[in-house]
Amino acid sequence: DQQVKQNSPSLSVQEGRISILNCDYTNSMFDYFLWYKKYPAEGPTFLISISSIKDKNEDGRFTVFLNKSAKHLSLHIVPSQPGDSAVYFCAAKGGSEKLVFGKGTKLTVNP
Amino acid sequence: GAVVSQHPSWVICKSGTSVKIECRSLDFQATTMFWYRQFPKQSLMLMATSNEGSKATYEQGVEKDKFLINHASLTLSTLTVTSAHPEDSSFYICSARDDSSSYNSPLHFGNGTRLTVT
Repeated sequence: DQQVKQNSPSLSVQEGRISILNCDYTNSMFDYFLWYKKYPAEGPTFLISISSIKDKNEDGRFTVFLNKSAKHLSLHIVPSQPGDSAVYFCAAKGGSEKLVFGKGTKLTVNP
Repeated sequence: GAVVSQHPSWVICKSGTSVKIECRSLDFQATTMFWYRQFPKQSLMLMATSNEGSKATYEQGVEKDKFLINHASLTLSTLTVTSAHPEDSSFYICSARDDSSSYNSPLHFGNGTRLTVT
């Protein structure tokens, strides 16, 4: 049973526009959420995180929003750049160090 | 920044042989490391938690006798795939948490190992 779901396998946006990547979770025990970016044949690199006590966290062009009642979080990238093209993984944890990952969304930013 | 080195980056082996994958934290100490496996277009699935000085903790469904984990020091964990079969072909990734960081600090990942069993 998938506890972290990324229902969009891919997303394509134009350079300069906003990219919105979505993630849903089912486990109410999750209290910390992270987004990782991954290029082919490389390990994931950390992008941004949010604690369940917050509903928004911003770092430069990246903002993560958390809606606990809906068990939903999203990553906004604005403005999107071609270098942002990668696979983005949503991950969650709660009560332990174990991270549970979604299947990822492949973002393509077109010049 | 914290660097996790994983070696080899890719390996091809024959069915029935064993393969060892190394995961090193280069500039920090890691009492705990994690081993993940990723199948194409799938999420990273946690296989086991590696603890320095004690036995690894395996996730449900992961055969501990097939995937041997040794956490020999605070900077090195190894995963040995024993008697590999074609269905073990996958992308294996390790991650580590810096012992000096807080509980919610992000894990640092290696670049992964692409294993192909022929």
